[in-house]
Amino acid sequence: KAGVTQTPRYLIKTRGQQVTLSCSPISGHRSVSWYQQTPGQGLQFLFEYFSETQRNKGNFPGRFSGRQFSNSRSEMNVSTLELGDSALYLCASSFGEMNTIYFGEGSWLTVV
Amino acid sequence: AQKITQTQPGMFVQEKEAVTLDCTYDTSDQSYGLFWYKQPSSGEMIFLIYQGSYDEQNATEGRYSLNFQKARKSANLVISASQLGDSAMYFCAMREGRSASRNQGGKLIFGQGTELSVKP
Repeated sequence: KAGVTQTPRYLIKTRGQQVTLSCSPISGHRSVSWYQQTPGQGLQFLFEYFSETQRNKGNFPGRFSGRQFSNSRSEMNVSTLELGDSALYLCASSFGEMNTIYFGEGSWLTVV
Repeated sequence: AQKITQTQPGMFVQEKEAVTLDCTYDTSDQSYGLFWYKQPSSGEMIFLIYQGSYDEQNATEGRYSLNFQKARKSANLVISASQLGDSAMYFCAMREGRSASRNQGGKLIFGQGTELSVKP
């Protein structure tokens, strides 16, 4: 069974641009969450979607947004990119609230 | 405040030996879950083992076991018979239960990680 798939794996953007990252959860999983990982701040929770509804949100500015589609696939968008947005963005999925959480390989974003 | 603490930034272990990675947590919830993940340099976060707060027995998954001491709020990962491929960052994480002001779900709180190096 396929794992969590994230695209693209690597990307370079310029300050001020916007970026969209995609995540396909494990088949049958309804919860998708996103995390940002940086050397300075570690792993930080961005938001979580369940059945197309945002269920939890971390402490990030409004430039960070996301959505989930009816097939549970999710996208996150970062507008007006800043140098500090350079990070590894990880997507995770789980079947439900009490189930194991599995991560994808991540998307490496570099803002120049 | 909910928090995960990993006090060992880096550790070395000889191949084939066992190693314990420390994790302590802080929560006022009765229901929570504890996870350990392995992250190689490629970036993928690989699930290793899970322990629920109500599980009476320590979780085991192959060479991985979780030494869960609820009263001490610790959830140490034990890797037996270390292999060179075990060299990676290891993260302890906690998922909290539902509360009046919080939805349970996929939100994990992570520790800062421990970098494990296995020597041949």
